[in-house]
Amino acid sequence: QKEVEQNSGPLSVPEGAIASLNCTYSDRVSQSFFWYRQYSGKSPELIMSIYSNGDKEDGRFTAQLNKASQYVSLLIRDSQPSDSATYLCAVNEKNNNAGNMLTFGGGTRLMVKP
Amino acid sequence: DTAVSQTPKYLVTQMGNDKSIKCEQNLGHDTMYWYKQDSKKFLKIMFSYNNKELIINETVPNRFSPKSPDKAHLNLHINSLELGDSAVYFCASSQVGQGAFLGEAFFGQGTRLTVV
Repeated sequence: QKEVEQNSGPLSVPEGAIASLNCTYSDRVSQSFFWYRQYSGKSPELIMSIYSNGDKEDGRFTAQLNKASQYVSLLIRDSQPSDSATYLCAVNEKNNNAGNMLTFGGGTRLMVKP
Repeated sequence: DTAVSQTPKYLVTQMGNDKSIKCEQNLGHDTMYWYKQDSKKFLKIMFSYNNKELIINETVPNRFSPKSPDKAHLNLHINSLELGDSAVYFCASSQVGQGAFLGEAFFGQGTRLTVV
């Protein structure tokens, strides 16, 4: 069974610090990796996607992928209180017949304290 | 203009009832999904559907059935509701195809179902 694992947290960081969120996955053939942010009572919102080994930067966010170690992470620089949310790691479980079915981790709750 | 919209936002119903949740997307995507998020916030795929094939998560009870009148709509019907069905249900859509953006999904606002 394919699994995506995340530390549930909460991860507490002071405002302005770097928040580091980690995720491991079990399926070696996974192709695409995503980070979603979910505020309490809201729907998941895509913030980063990464497909190849290495780093991908977008503003204050950096996604890192290491397929050999089956590990993907998200760094948030200059953390703001508005970044406080649950961050969901998702892995593309490509189905050859129809669609791409994302498998989600349980999420890491991030708290950024002013 | 909402990309993926689902109704109702809240649904409270008694055990044994049959209910439906509607979902529409105006993104032109060819694949739609239903996800269930339980009280522990774990988001699990229930169905993946495009106009060619329905993929069902084998753990989903057959009381749950998706109905797609057209490419832009995927409704969720639930028969004989049980207490354990209480959760937030999210509809999502994506464009399946080649290239670097496989798997990006856009979510509706969710339907909080409470079975009493």
